[in-house]
Amino acid sequence: QVQLQESGPGLVKPSQTLSLTCTVSGGSISSGSYYWSWIRQPAGKGLEWIGRIYTSGSTNYNPSLKSRVTISVDTSKNQFSLKLSSVTAADTAVYYCARGPIAVAGYYFDYWGQGTLVTVSS
Amino acid sequence: EIVMTQSPATLSVSPGERATLSCRASQSVSSNLAWYQQKPGQAPRLLIYGASTRATGIPARFSGSGSGTEFTLTISSLQSEDFAVYYCQQYNNWPFFGGGTKVEIK
Repeated sequence: QVQLQESGPGLVKPSQTLSLTCTVSGGSISSGSYYWSWIRQPAGKGLEWIGRIYTSGSTNYNPSLKSRVTISVDTSKNQFSLKLSSVTAADTAVYYCARGPIAVAGYYFDYWGQGTLVTVSS
Repeated sequence: EIVMTQSPATLSVSPGERATLSCRASQSVSSNLAWYQQKPGQAPRLLIYGASTRATGIPARFSGSGSGTEFTLTISSLQSEDFAVYYCQQYNNWPFFGGGTKVEIK
């Protein structure tokens, strides 16, 4: 059974960089059949895809966040990471990591981490 | 950007009744549509992908239909554990989600 677990600071100051890591267990992040994504959800609101990475290191980002997002992968640790720069209060949300089986056109998300709340505040 | 619109925003249903949730795409996404269930304090759970294929372990009372721009999630007989928020997500290009439908007890 694949499990994903987010980790990182729960509080980030405005203008700083949010950094989170997702550790994958029960399966290899190097499997060629999946994308690995970050998704966030502000309190009481809907889901927003942030970006994804493939085992090769290739990435795609939500155009609305692209200028501030970097996703990287460490296959030796079976982890992938998110960095979001120049954060504001609008970036306060629960951040999820998720696995996406690669379909013909794109991908959905079959396994999710439990989520971690990140608050942006001074 | 493909915009996903879900309706209604809130659906009040009695246990045992049928629930029908709608999701509309601003342009065709073929059958590249998934549905998720989210309960308070939990991560979303994949219910349906490919517009109509149930994910592993999902009960048969959940069914999905549609293609192109119009999609439906039907819960044939609501159980107590089904009261939750449901999201659709297109994956024809970037994976964008709808705004959600909350299914509440009537």
